[in-house]
Amino acid sequence: AQKVTQAQTEISVVEKEDVTLDCVYETRDTTYYLFWYKQPPSGELVFLIRRNSFDEQNEISGRYSWNFQKSTSSFNFTITASQVVDSAVYFCALRPGANSKLTFGKGITLSVRP
Amino acid sequence: DVKVTQSSRYLVKRTGEKVFLECVQDMDHENMFWYRQDPGLGLRLIYFSYDVKMKEKGDIPEGYSVSREKKERFSLILESASTNQTSMYLCASIGDRRKAYEQYFGPGTRLTVT
Repeated sequence: AQKVTQAQTEISVVEKEDVTLDCVYETRDTTYYLFWYKQPPSGELVFLIRRNSFDEQNEISGRYSWNFQKSTSSFNFTITASQVVDSAVYFCALRPGANSKLTFGKGITLSVRP
Repeated sequence: DVKVTQSSRYLVKRTGEKVFLECVQDMDHENMFWYRQDPGLGLRLIYFSYDVKMKEKGDIPEGYSVSREKKERFSLILESASTNQTSMYLCASIGDRRKAYEQYFGPGTRLTVT
């Protein structure tokens, strides 16, 4: 069975602070994919990143960076110099390579105050 | 760009009514999904479909059915709506192997059953 745990439920920061969103996963598959999605107040889920289990290289995209560590089954997401527009619910998700069912964590509500 | 559309953003129905939620994707994807999203529970998979006229139960199929008569359209049906089905419903379509089964979401339908 697959499981994704986002232990943080709500985080509040002041603009320009850095913030890290944690994600821990469980799977018995050796091939799998990890995702992060952003859900702004408008409701639509926005794809942020995909990482496969064979690629542990960390990734940076502008103010966003992701740290994938298989040893601790974690795929953490850091926003540097946060902005008010980053306020949203963020979901981490896992898909085994063998099928296409996506398992989501419960989401983290991030509030960035001016 | 992939586009996944849902027939309504907001819907209000009465208990006992039959409700249809429509989802259409324009990328010729085989795989389509219906999720519901509730506070504190994240996204939970209701049903999914790998091909026309094929369907599989997700994690919470009770009280729902689906229809996939055409590849681009995946409908979620509430045979007799109940108040505990008040929720946000998200449809998704999945890309092919080259995109690691990247999942694209529609804007969501917020259903209220009174």
